[in-house]
Amino acid sequence: GAGVSQSPSNKVTEKGKDVELRCDPISGHTALYWYRQSLGQGLEFLIYFQGNSAPDKSGLPSDRFSAERTGGSVSTLTIQRTQQEDSAVYLCASSSGTGESYGYTFGSGTRLTVV
Amino acid sequence: TQLLEQSPQFLSIQEGENLTVYCNSSSVFSSLQWYRQEPGEGPVLLVTVVTGGEVKKLKRLTFQFGDARKDSSLHITAAQPGDTGLYLCAGYNAGNNRKLIWGLGTSLAVNP
Repeated sequence: GAGVSQSPSNKVTEKGKDVELRCDPISGHTALYWYRQSLGQGLEFLIYFQGNSAPDKSGLPSDRFSAERTGGSVSTLTIQRTQQEDSAVYLCASSSGTGESYGYTFGSGTRLTVV
Repeated sequence: TQLLEQSPQFLSIQEGENLTVYCNSSSVFSSLQWYRQEPGEGPVLLVTVVTGGEVKKLKRLTFQFGDARKDSSLHITAAQPGDTGLYLCAGYNAGNNRKLIWGLGTSLAVNP
């Protein structure tokens, strides 16, 4: 597609349930990033995939969080045993490369509410 | 730890006013990017500056990269309600595993 697509756009889940968030990057973009943004706050880095390299998981807040990127394209962020503090907007971005001149294209995000 | 500090954190102005927001660091970056984020959407890239002292203009927006490549500013002339949003700066340094470092943003409200 023309842009980065994220689904679902909104997700309400009960505390303790698992959730999966999906990201379809721009076709051909080799780098894919997941961020979390709380209300009115900046971006919190979660995880980053670049080509066939091992992902950079340095931002994952706990072992309840994991992500996969299949076939170098679609990515799924999984949160197990959700907690109320996991409530936030989860943003996915992709870029055509990594380096000083490469900007990120973001999706519109998934708003996760844990009740 | 490399940090990018943005100021002011919040800004509320009237339509037609000029404003400047800042992005500062003690670290040197290879490039600085500015994004604008509107409610319910992801950030959208406005500009990338890569050369110390560089000035780029995008209609009423003027971006400047500091000579030492540690800071940047965004100046908006004659602000309009459509400029309302969260302005984020992000710095690139290959030492950060080739990913951007983000400031916390300046939230701008332009009142008609």
